[in-house]
Amino acid sequence: GAVVSQHPSWVICKSGTSVKIECRSLDFQATTMFWYRQFPKQSLMLMATSNEGSKATYEQGVEKDKFLINHASLTLSTLTVTSAHPEDSSFYICSASGGGTNNEQFFGPGTRLTVL
Amino acid sequence: AQSVSQHNHHVILSEAASLELGCNYSYGGTVNLFWYVQYPGQHLQLLLKYFSGDPLVKGIKGFEAEFIKSKFSFNLRKPSVQWSDTAEYFCAVSYSGTYKYIFGTGTRLKVLA
Repeated sequence: GAVVSQHPSWVICKSGTSVKIECRSLDFQATTMFWYRQFPKQSLMLMATSNEGSKATYEQGVEKDKFLINHASLTLSTLTVTSAHPEDSSFYICSASGGGTNNEQFFGPGTRLTVL
Repeated sequence: AQSVSQHNHHVILSEAASLELGCNYSYGGTVNLFWYVQYPGQHLQLLLKYFSGDPLVKGIKGFEAEFIKSKFSFNLRKPSVQWSDTAEYFCAVSYSGTYKYIFGTGTRLKVLA
């Protein structure tokens, strides 16, 4: 149980284009989803938290107009990197929480974005 | 601000050696604690977690961790490492009342065959 998928697993795009990454909870309803970014050989940094049906809450320093997050249903959240640039190349990881006492997060496999 | 520290950034061990990776967190009340492993080129996998109860937690692949509340620590241990344990290990903490996880900087473990 508690499986989270991401699509695509990797994507290469040209500078200036937009890329959408999907995060799905496959066997539970995710009241809250999280998006993280991991640079090579570094730790995970939380970018934003999204609750179903409401606007995402972004961490300090994360541009909300550049990283658009939509959490339209209890099983799907999307991250769109708009006007991507090479510095946006990174590993993007989502997680989902169904709430409960411990608010445990279940992590997706990640999406590797390379912007040329 | 709440923070998580992993003091060992790189660890190199020979097979069969014992492992202990440190994790300390800043005070902030009740916490949930996690250790994740990330093998080269792969995604995060949960090794073990602590929510409450017995402070000695056993996880997968022979790993265990001990929550010492007085020291704000949650160190990861394995009595005898294998070459296949070569990976990066992340400690994470969530504080009561918040959904957020705070990750440590990670420890890169290399096990020599």
